[in-house]
Order: sequence, then C-alpha cells, then structure tokens
Amino acid sequence: NAGVTQTPKFQVLKTGQSMTLQCAQDMNHNSMYWYRQDPGMGLRLIYYSASEGTTDKGEVPNGYNVSRLNKREFSLRLESAAPSQTSVYFCASSEGVIQYFGAGTRLSVL
Amino acid sequence: DAKTTQPPSMDCAEGRAANLPCNHSTISGNEYVYWYRQIHSQGPQYIIHGLKNNETNEMASLIITEDRKSSTLILPHATLRDTAVYYCIASPTGTASKLTFGTGTRLQVTL
Repeated sequence: NAGVTQTPKFQVLKTGQSMTLQCAQDMNHNSMYWYRQDPGMGLRLIYYSASEGTTDKGEVPNGYNVSRLNKREFSLRLESAAPSQTSVYFCASSEGVIQYFGAGTRLSVL
Repeated sequence: DAKTTQPPSMDCAEGRAANLPCNHSTISGNEYVYWYRQIHSQGPQYIIHGLKNNETNEMASLIITEDRKSSTLILPHATLRDTAVYYCIASPTGTASKLTFGTGTRLQVTL
C-alpha cells in the first residue's frame, strides 16, 4: 500500500520551460490537493479537487493548472516556469478530515 | 479559517511530556482544531483533531479549553523521533478539508 506517490522527486527547470508534476493515490480517496512549501514557511494550497471531475483554486493558483485525470490521479502543470516557482510541492489526498501527504517534489527553476 | 498562533520553537527532554500550545481566539463554532507534524523535509503527518472535547489517540492527546480559544497538544513521552515542526490548524470539515498551514512550532527533543 503506497499511499500517495509523487513523481519526480527532484527536478531542475530553466525559466520558461514547462513540466507536469504527477500524483497518484491508492486509498480510493475522493479529494486531492496540491500545496507548495517555500523555505521556512508553512504549506500553501495551490489547487484542490473535491471529487473526480472537479477542481478549485486554492490560495496561490497563479501560474499553475491542474487535471484530475481520474479518481487516483491529480497532476499539476507549470506552463512557463519562473524562478518564483522554486519550491517543494506536496500532493495530498483525503476521505473525510484527515489528509495524507506524499513525499514531495523538489523543484528548482533557474 | 481562523488564524492560529504558535510559539516558533520549543525544547523538550527525551522521555518527558511535550506540551505544545496553540491560540485560536477567533475560532468559529464549526471549526475543528487539527494538528499535523512535519519531520525534516517529509510530507506532513496527521496527528489528531478535535472540536470541543479532549481527544486522545496512540500518538498524542489534545486538550481544548472550554471557550475553545486555545488548545494544547501533548506528546506524553517525547522521543528523538518526535523532533519536527508541529502545525496547529483551525478549519471546518467538509467534502474537501482545505488546510491553512502557518509556520508552526519547531520542537527539538534532546537527550
């Protein structure tokens, strides 16, 4: 039982490049989330999906798009990466009040 | 979501109880108090949550004051593995529980 799996674990991009962060959960949870964490800061919600087929903006959605591909998978896309998007990205899922987090993707944009 | 206030850091000797305070004076009636922790750079881990009654599970106890304006997370016998950043979050439950993380309390457990 893997829980929440994020790929890749590390990524370096050049400014303007695009990439998609992948997240999959095997707990049959309805809700999924994307957060970012900057150094010394708490996590901030980028987007969430309350259920398959729905997505909503969180606190810091600008510069990102998401796709809830199916119940298991929720991807985060950076269309044109900027240095300000250098961060650690965490995906989470929940059924009820408890959120389960992945190990994170460490992204550097040069 | 109600704002929460936590001390930036605390120390605790191994084997002793760690008591982590949280102030949430503007909490509304439908907001629960959640505690998560983040060990090193891992993803956050759920610890416990409560509405108004004290709660206990295998990891910790949560004491919420009667007026619900503050709470305390208690790790009864802290170990070195409990060294982490602890986040106190006030949030309503719903179909999707959107959590607002502050900067938390960095707990250092020492020998």
